[in-house]
Amino acid sequence: EAGVVQSPRYKIIEKKQPVAFWCNPISGHNTLYWYLQNLGQGPELLIRYENEEAVDDSQLPKDRFSAERLKGVDSTLKIQPAELGDSAVYLCASSSNRGRAETQYFGPGTRLLVL
Amino acid sequence: KQEVTQIPAALSVPEGENLVLNCSFTDSAIYNLQWFRQDPGKGLTSLLLIQSSQREQTSGRLNASLDKSSGRSTLYIAASQPGDSATYLCAVRPYGSGNTGKLIFGQGTTLQVKP
Repeated sequence: EAGVVQSPRYKIIEKKQPVAFWCNPISGHNTLYWYLQNLGQGPELLIRYENEEAVDDSQLPKDRFSAERLKGVDSTLKIQPAELGDSAVYLCASSSNRGRAETQYFGPGTRLLVL
Repeated sequence: KQEVTQIPAALSVPEGENLVLNCSFTDSAIYNLQWFRQDPGKGLTSLLLIQSSQREQTSGRLNASLDKSSGRSTLYIAASQPGDSATYLCAVRPYGSGNTGKLIFGQGTTLQVKP
């Protein structure tokens, strides 16, 4: 079974440019998460989807960040315009909803460097 | 507000040593606690999940304990090997987060096992 797929793996852009990240969760997983991981820190949740509905986006900086999961499968996270402080790893994860012991499965992440 | 702390931030040991990684959390109202492993440039892989009603979980050379009342967990690695070198993160799932709620992570302990 394929894991969580993310692309691109690396992205270098200049500040003020837009950037988008794509995530394909594990087949059958209804819940999808986007996390931000700064260097030397643990991941922090940006947004959580249940199917196509964003049920927790309280940590998403809505002035420049947006996300969508139109058909309840793949998801895209966008930053426009990017700032120097956005340099980090953006992790996507997915899980089923079978119970509280269900773990989240993480993708390899997209490493963003804003110059 | 739930906060998760891991000490030490980095640890270097010779091969074969037994070692303990520590995790503390400020709010005991959790469903479960998980330990993850993160290799450089990779996503997170779940190692062990301890439900709030449990005291410990074991998988191979790994043993994780949970003392919810004191807000502490430990990850014990027996007979460490160079392949154990990675960053280890603990995460809690707070009450009220549901089956698919967010995880709150510590900042991780980076382990180096020298041959």
